[in-house]
Amino acid sequence: DVKVTQSSRYLVKRTGEKVFLECVQDMDHENMFWYRQDPGLGLRLIYFSYDVKMKEKGDIPEGYSVSREKKERFSLILESASTNQTSMYLCASSTRGTGRHEQYFGPGTRLTVT
Amino acid sequence: GQNIDQPTEMTATEGAIVQINCTYQTSGFNGLFWYQQHAGEAPTFLSYNVLDGLEEKGRFSSFLSRSKGYSYLLLKELQMKDSASYLCAYFYGGKSTFGDGTTLTVKP
Repeated sequence: DVKVTQSSRYLVKRTGEKVFLECVQDMDHENMFWYRQDPGLGLRLIYFSYDVKMKEKGDIPEGYSVSREKKERFSLILESASTNQTSMYLCASSTRGTGRHEQYFGPGTRLTVT
Repeated sequence: GQNIDQPTEMTATEGAIVQINCTYQTSGFNGLFWYQQHAGEAPTFLSYNVLDGLEEKGRFSSFLSRSKGYSYLLLKELQMKDSASYLCAYFYGGKSTFGDGTTLTVKP
């Protein structure tokens, strides 16, 4: 059974804190993604990675950075958390190359910044 | 999503058929996905279209017209458990761009 796991389901942090969100997949997928999901705004891509140590900016990268040191792990970093980063964060992975590339999502981390 | 549109909400009756439309605009295109997301859960893959036409998978079917930038998801014999958000997403350049989702409520 394929699996994407995220380090926390719920997280509460204070403004200005550095926050790490971890994502691990066990499917040997090349591609990994970080999204945030907000009511009325849908799923928005923050960053994605198509290989170890590679990263690409998505639609809303400001205020975030990422790290991919191993193929199975993709980390999202909030350098200095702000209240407008309160959101549901979803990690996903997929294969690369030709054919279908459906994404497998983790359960999400609901982050609250106070 | 900025250039992908789908209705915000739909309501249908148990046992009926419902069609959820999606229109998109993109300079490049490698496929169209539909995902289902129950409240409080992660999205899960439903269907994928890369060529024009209808793809059928049990009670769910998805249609694509690339020339019109249009897709729909057809759900037959609706069940209460089909109450969920349905996300349309086009795929290009190694990533997917998602619509805001259509929240479907199935009533008895």
